[in-house]
Amino acid sequence: DIVMTQSPDSLAVSLGERATINCKSSQSVLYTSNNQNYLAWYQQKPGQPPKLLIYWASTRESGVPDRFSGSGSGTDFTLTISSLQAEDVAVYFCQQYYDDPYTFGQGTKLEIK
Amino acid sequence: QVQLVESGGGVVQPGRSLRLSCAASGFTFTSYAMHWVRQAPGKGLEWVALKSYDGSNEFYADSVKGRFTISRDNSKNTLYLQMNSLRAEDAAVYYCARSSGWSGTDPFDVWGQGTMVSVSS
Repeated sequence: DIVMTQSPDSLAVSLGERATINCKSSQSVLYTSNNQNYLAWYQQKPGQPPKLLIYWASTRESGVPDRFSGSGSGTDFTLTISSLQAEDVAVYFCQQYYDDPYTFGQGTKLEIK
Repeated sequence: QVQLVESGGGVVQPGRSLRLSCAASGFTFTSYAMHWVRQAPGKGLEWVALKSYDGSNEFYADSVKGRFTISRDNSKNTLYLQMNSLRAEDAAVYYCARSSGWSGTDPFDVWGQGTMVSVSS
């Protein structure tokens, strides 16, 4: 199984500042035949289901604000929120959909400092 | 609009069975693979099972293999999860989620609100 490890487990950032969450996979999720990283980021607010933010490691889902960006390749990935807004308080999960079981990271709780 | 609505959750004794349903609307159900994902209280997300768009393939997490069965009725636009021999560790909110493509190797782009399963004697 591919193990997804996020860091940090929790993060407190001031409004307007940058937030960075890291995700590392135990093996590469880059499919060389199409040069795509099978890596997604989800946002989950309390009492709500997860919401897809980023897929193919760096493609923003429709309607997601452009302050959210994803980067990385192979085994190391980053979700960046360029200017934290109050509504971004949530838990963020990375996930690999390269192979079953389609594993998630343990989550990073993002709060306002 | 595109929507997934789960139902069937509840309180069940250990060893008993439960069947969850997920009604899909607003999109061509037969074009998408579908997943079940669960989340224990205060915990992270755990993928449970996948059913291919045409029902020909299915995959399971090791933690539920042999006890859970995923199925779909494309004529009713409904996904199911039959859960047998339930254990305390199966207690969670169960979400159905749409794969953004016909295979399982696509991101999960639509999620239901979830249905809660509690396992207790």
